[in-house]
Amino acid sequence: DAGVIQSPRHEVTEMGQEVTLRCKPISGHDYLFWYRQTMMRGLELLIYFNNNVPIDDSGMPEDRFSAKMPNASFSTLKIQPSEPRDSAVYFCASSLRGPSYNEQFFGPGTRLTVL
Amino acid sequence: GDSVTQMEGPVTLSEEAFLTINCTYTATGYPSLFWYVQYPGEGLQLLLKATKADDKGSNKGFEATYRKETTSFHLEKGSVQVSDSAVYFCALGGQLTFGSGTQLTVLP
Repeated sequence: DAGVIQSPRHEVTEMGQEVTLRCKPISGHDYLFWYRQTMMRGLELLIYFNNNVPIDDSGMPEDRFSAKMPNASFSTLKIQPSEPRDSAVYFCASSLRGPSYNEQFFGPGTRLTVL
Repeated sequence: GDSVTQMEGPVTLSEEAFLTINCTYTATGYPSLFWYVQYPGEGLQLLLKATKADDKGSNKGFEATYRKETTSFHLEKGSVQVSDSAVYFCALGGQLTFGSGTQLTVLP
């Protein structure tokens, strides 16, 4: 398996623009997670899905952020409008079963820079 | 809520030195505990895990023991290598809580 795939790997955009990050989880994994990593705040869980259904979105910072999982092999994280403080590395991860016991497999991340 | 407190970094060691990175947690019940490692420019990857009290996780010379009595899961390695330079994260299952990460640099 190719592992978790994220695109793009790098994104530079201007404040106010819409940004869409994409993720393809490992085939057969029922859980998908979106994280944000910054120097100041560390690694933060934004949202996670089970069987394409959002389970916990309490980490989504505000209404400018939205995430969808239209099918088992694809998810998006959208920021509209983007702001400089959204600059971070965004990771997608997937796991076979729930977060309590199972290893999460992380993608390589998308480095987002908002000017 | 659940929380993880991890040893502040950065940590700089010479090759073949002994490594300890402290991790303590607060949790309801007895969640699984994990150590993840992040190499420069990459995502996190699981290093080791323990699912119940007194379990010892081990991988690539690293070890950590799930200590219920001290609510700890300290990471140890007897002899570090330059290739171990990375950021290490302690994590708690259940509510998916990660520590702040500890940057390790090993000098030749």
